[in-house]
Amino acid sequence: DAGVTQSPTHLIKTRGQQVTLRCSPISGHKSVSWYQQVLGQGPQFIFQYYEKEERGRGNFPDRFSARQFPNYSSELNVNALLLGDSALYLCASSLSLAVNYEQYFGPGTRLTVT
Amino acid sequence: KNEVEQSPQNLTAQEGEFITINCSYSVGISALHWLQQHPGGGIVSLFMLSSGKKKHGRLIATINIQEKHSSLHITASHPRDSAVYICAAPYSGGGADGLTFGKGTHLIIQP
Repeated sequence: DAGVTQSPTHLIKTRGQQVTLRCSPISGHKSVSWYQQVLGQGPQFIFQYYEKEERGRGNFPDRFSARQFPNYSSELNVNALLLGDSALYLCASSLSLAVNYEQYFGPGTRLTVT
Repeated sequence: KNEVEQSPQNLTAQEGEFITINCSYSVGISALHWLQQHPGGGIVSLFMLSSGKKKHGRLIATINIQEKHSSLHITASHPRDSAVYICAAPYSGGGADGLTFGKGTHLIIQP
């Protein structure tokens, strides 16, 4: 089975622009979470989606939004990009919403904002 | 929000040494994750544990729920173990939640 996939792999945007990142979970996984990892730091929790509903949100501004589709794939949108949004964006999928299920991470999308 | 602290932040050891990485968290949890991240960003789940001890090959993870502390041990360390090791706990301490991560331990095993 294919693992978690993310697209694009790399992206360069200019301040003020908008970006959409995509994630396809492992087949059968209904939970998708998004994380931001700034260079040298651990990942920071942005959103968790389960069965197409937002189930958890980290401490990120409203410029960040996401959605989950009927096939459980997900998109992360970031508006009005700032230089500080430059980071590796990771998606993780899991069978369940519960934290005591293994998380499977995608390879990430590296976003550079200039 | 759960606060997760890891130590040490950097660790360099010789091949064959016994390695210990520590993790503490602030809010009681139902499960804790240990993950491995290689250069380039890929993250692999090593363990998910809610009590006691788990072993996989040369890796051992333990957790003390009462003390809010977990450890990851590597026995007979090898250069291929060189990576960043991260512990992660539920963001709000709940049973259905995203994860909050420690800053990671950058491990280098020298031959």
